[in-house]
Amino acid sequence: GENVEQHPSTLSVQEGDSAVIKCTYSDSASNYFPWYKQELGKGPQLIIDIRSNVGEKKDQRIAVTLNKTAKHFSLHITETQPEDSAVYFCAARGVYNTDKLIFGTGTRLQVFP
Amino acid sequence: DAGVIQSPRHEVTEMGQEVTLRCKPISGHDYLFWYRQTMMRGLELLIYFNNNVPIDDSGMPEDRFSAKMPNASFSTLKIQPSEPRDSAVYFCASINGRGADTQYFGPGTRLTVL
Repeated sequence: GENVEQHPSTLSVQEGDSAVIKCTYSDSASNYFPWYKQELGKGPQLIIDIRSNVGEKKDQRIAVTLNKTAKHFSLHITETQPEDSAVYFCAARGVYNTDKLIFGTGTRLQVFP
Repeated sequence: DAGVIQSPRHEVTEMGQEVTLRCKPISGHDYLFWYRQTMMRGLELLIYFNNNVPIDDSGMPEDRFSAKMPNASFSTLKIQPSEPRDSAVYFCASINGRGADTQYFGPGTRLTVL
């Protein structure tokens, strides 16, 4: 079955710097890759996603890139702010089972003022 | 819409006791997912339902865990008997239709088994 690995597990950056979180997936048939943000005491919330027919997608300060050949995808946050501090999860969904998301283990991002 | 509702938000119990977690999905959503979150394993899918029918329970760790969805607006996850290693945050999520992109998560139930 699908397996998603996520790195790093923790990431600390200075406010204004960029942050990058990387994920790899095992099932080459996966075609949908969302990123979820989990703030303290809350459930995860979708922030951006990308499909396998697209190499990059941007939404203001966040962007996601996908390398299908290498089975990598990454989340990029520019000009980080303290409110970006949270746990971020990547996930993958396959073409054969469009019901399930397989999540990575999460990255705890801390942005220091 | 109120979003996905879970209760209780926190549960502390002693080993061996029965624990029941509750979830109300967003009205009109036909898929419901139960996840467990731990530091070591991240977010694990335990079971999911479509139109109140369990579709995949391969993530349920042991026979001590059971889940039901008696109607479209209510689901329970039961652990009996509970063990300290069951301590985790349990999330419920729902989606509207097969292949829908966004999973809407509830606020979670933090379970502590002493």
